[in-house]
Amino acid sequence: GAGVSQTPSNKVTEKGKYVELRCDPISGHTALYWYRQSLGQGPEFLIYFQGTGAADDSGLPNDRFFAVRPEGSVSTLKIQRTERGDSAVYLCASSLYGQANTEAFFGQGTRLTVV
Amino acid sequence: GEDVEQSLFLSVREGDSSVINCTYTDSSSTYLYWYKQEPGAGLQLLTYIFSNMDMKQDQRLTVLLNKKDKHLSLRIADTQTGDSAIYFCAERGPAAGNKLTFGGGTRVLVKP
Repeated sequence: GAGVSQTPSNKVTEKGKYVELRCDPISGHTALYWYRQSLGQGPEFLIYFQGTGAADDSGLPNDRFFAVRPEGSVSTLKIQRTERGDSAVYLCASSLYGQANTEAFFGQGTRLTVV
Repeated sequence: GEDVEQSLFLSVREGDSSVINCTYTDSSSTYLYWYKQEPGAGLQLLTYIFSNMDMKQDQRLTVLLNKKDKHLSLRIADTQTGDSAIYFCAERGPAAGNKLTFGGGTRVLVKP
């Protein structure tokens, strides 16, 4: 596709369950980012991949959160033992390179609701 | 750590100019960005400015950077109803790797 694709667009899960959120970046983009946007706030950085490796995971809030990008393309954000406070829109972005002057293109996000 | 602040709301009449303000704390910021977010849509990069510049103009958009005061503004000339959205200021500094630090967003409402 032409843009960053995130699936599902909406996910409702029960507290304590495990969820996976998927991001398909723009083809050929080596850099991939995950952000979390809570209601009424700006996006907060979670993790950045350059190729297959996590170059910066300093934004992951705790060890319930984990992300992978095994082949350097699609990425999956995994959340274990979900809590109500995890409810947010999870945004994925990709850029051609991980340099500051290259544009990062954002997907439309996955809205996660933990009930 | 880095912090980026924006006012919450701006109301403007169609045809007038809008000015959205942003302050940041990281004096080592290298790039500063303005993003637009419309309901149901992803974040769209509007423009960015390198920290050694003090102004950048792109069609209806003018970005002003006061590095001494750590103040960034976005001026939208001839504001249209389609400009109604949430605008986010974001910064990237050399110590922050490749992550962006966003402000909380300014909701702009354009009235006809």
